[in-house]
Amino acid sequence: ETGVTQTPRHLVMGMTNKKSLKCEQHLGHNAMYWYKQSAKKPLELMFVYSLEERVENNSVPSRFSPECPNSSHLFLHLHTLQPEDSALYLCASSQDDSRLEAFFGQGTRLTVV
Amino acid sequence: SQQGEEDPQALSIQEGENATMNCSYKTSINNLQWYRQNSGRGLVHLILIRSNEREKHSGRLRVTLDTSKKSSSLLITASRAADTASYFCATESPAGNKLTFGGGTRVLVKP
Repeated sequence: ETGVTQTPRHLVMGMTNKKSLKCEQHLGHNAMYWYKQSAKKPLELMFVYSLEERVENNSVPSRFSPECPNSSHLFLHLHTLQPEDSALYLCASSQDDSRLEAFFGQGTRLTVV
Repeated sequence: SQQGEEDPQALSIQEGENATMNCSYKTSINNLQWYRQNSGRGLVHLILIRSNEREKHSGRLRVTLDTSKKSSSLLITASRAADTASYFCATESPAGNKLTFGGGTRVLVKP
């Protein structure tokens, strides 16, 4: 275990559903990240939170809405997704200093039908 | 386009052999990291090499960094079947707080 826990591990949702992905870290880190991993594509950074403040949004569609209520928790709220949004969504955390070693959760395998 | 690109995309070797994979990147970096991912699971950090370092070792892993060529290599010596995974390089920009990953190298170690 890396100290970063993601739930659920698997999620199947329809295009009209609303669901949320949850990430929790017990490492005392102050930065958290959402990545998207699609087949045959590099890992894509979606959002970065540092000290609970969003510091980066890599042109992610508004149907993905992140929330960071505190430094230990990160959510990704999903609504009106498309089939091409099916992917492995990975959460990571790190200590926000010059040594940026990221600790990843196991991911949520999302399938949009 | 992506910052890091791994080469080769896939590698198949026999147990006991060495596995070498390369990573090239485009812009200046603060450090370069290598991660491992077993199928459908999260990434695990393996090793970090700073921009002012040229070589680093960790167990059976050896990483080199050539900032003049903007490239890095990961060598796994005496490979084992358990080393079968995808390996990714990731670069941190000088501005910090952001890791950019390459497409990965899929390594298959046959027993």
